[in-house]
Amino acid sequence: KQEVTQIPAALSVPEGENLVLNCSFTDSAIYNLQWFRQDPGKGLTSLLLIQSSQREQTSGRLNASLDKSSGRSTLYIAASQPGDSATYLCAVNQAGTALIFGKGTTLSVSS
Amino acid sequence: GAVVSQHPSRVICKSGTSVKIECRSLDFQATTMFWYRQFPKQSLMLMATSNEGSKATYEQGVEKDKFLINHASLTLSTLTVTSAHPEDSSFYICSARRKVGDTEAFFGQGTRLTVV
Repeated sequence: KQEVTQIPAALSVPEGENLVLNCSFTDSAIYNLQWFRQDPGKGLTSLLLIQSSQREQTSGRLNASLDKSSGRSTLYIAASQPGDSATYLCAVNQAGTALIFGKGTTLSVSS
Repeated sequence: GAVVSQHPSRVICKSGTSVKIECRSLDFQATTMFWYRQFPKQSLMLMATSNEGSKATYEQGVEKDKFLINHASLTLSTLTVTSAHPEDSSFYICSARRKVGDTEAFFGQGTRLTVV
């Protein structure tokens, strides 16, 4: 059974720092991996989707990498801002089924 | 494109009553919709998968008689929490997929249910 783990569970950094969030999954047979942002009490905002054939995706200050064979993905946030404070969720998609989520990393960026 | 609308965003109900949550795909037809539940500081856990025109498939441990799912059209799925109890208080969120085999799903805004 696929399991998704995110480390760390929480992270506090001062504004301007570059940071890395980690995601690992136990079964490498995935179609894609997706990173989401969730603000408190809100729904999900899709940040980046990486297909299984891709190694990375970039959007603005965000860069996500995927090493499918080792079951790992990282989300790199450059020059963090207070507005980046949120919970970041990693999810994998297998064989067209529902997404399987990690528990998330709660990020707090102080000004 | 690919907008999923969920309604209501928040609902408070009395214990023992039923609550219906709607999930609509606004600009595409969704053959498959998924319902998730999220407890505080926990991840999203899949409750059930519904395909248009057929019965929903529930995950282990989810009571199908308590969480009624209807996917009567290609743009609407509903989740009804019957005889709600305080332990049903949670964040419920739906997602929709255009067709079988599609690898991307789109999420609604979620519904915060509080049972008092």
